[in-house]
Amino acid sequence: QQQVKQSPQSLIVQKGGISIINCAYENTAFDYFPWYQQFPGKGPALLIAIRPDVSEKKEGRFTISFNKSAKQFSLHIMDSQPGDSATYFCAAKYSGAGSYQLTFGKGTKLSVIP
Amino acid sequence: SAVISQKPSRDICQRGTSLTIQCQVDSQVTMMFWYRQQPGQSLTLIATANQGSEATYESGFVIDKFPISRPNLTFSTLTVSNMSPEDSSIYLCSVSRGGVIGTEAFFGQGTRLTVV
Repeated sequence: QQQVKQSPQSLIVQKGGISIINCAYENTAFDYFPWYQQFPGKGPALLIAIRPDVSEKKEGRFTISFNKSAKQFSLHIMDSQPGDSATYFCAAKYSGAGSYQLTFGKGTKLSVIP
Repeated sequence: SAVISQKPSRDICQRGTSLTIQCQVDSQVTMMFWYRQQPGQSLTLIATANQGSEATYESGFVIDKFPISRPNLTFSTLTVSNMSPEDSSIYLCSVSRGGVIGTEAFFGQGTRLTVV
């Protein structure tokens, strides 16, 4: 059972445009939602994360929008740059005691073209 | 943050052999995690390694195939045993640290394994 569904699988955006990646989750116990960025040959790196008590979090050009009622969250990359070309993974986690496992989406390969 | 070093970074192995992957963390951590990432795919948790106890394996992964050692709080190894081409993947070591809003996961650069 896939608990975090991510779309699109791939995305091509012009330089300066907005990249939008969407995720939906099923488990209402999830209470921590990070996004990871992975470049080829590297491990995933934490980009930005949000808890469900806020609807939006912004860090530089990266914004997470969160819709608790719809059980959806999305990553927006403003003014996309070629250096943003990477694979992006959304994830979800339950923060209860003894819980450590992240559930990942299937990833979105972003290509930003000049 | 956490600095995680994995060795080897890549290897090409013959089927039927075994490969041990090492993971070294720059400071002590309670839990270490091993993931598999098949080409173009997402990350799948193999097992959680707690120092001083047996690793906990996720569904579909067994100790005989993926034995794990955790001799201290900064080091772990994952062995991929009796390899077949289906084991060709990237294997990632991960640790968790408390962050500003939640537990943050940090990853090593991965070990790219090709089985021929």
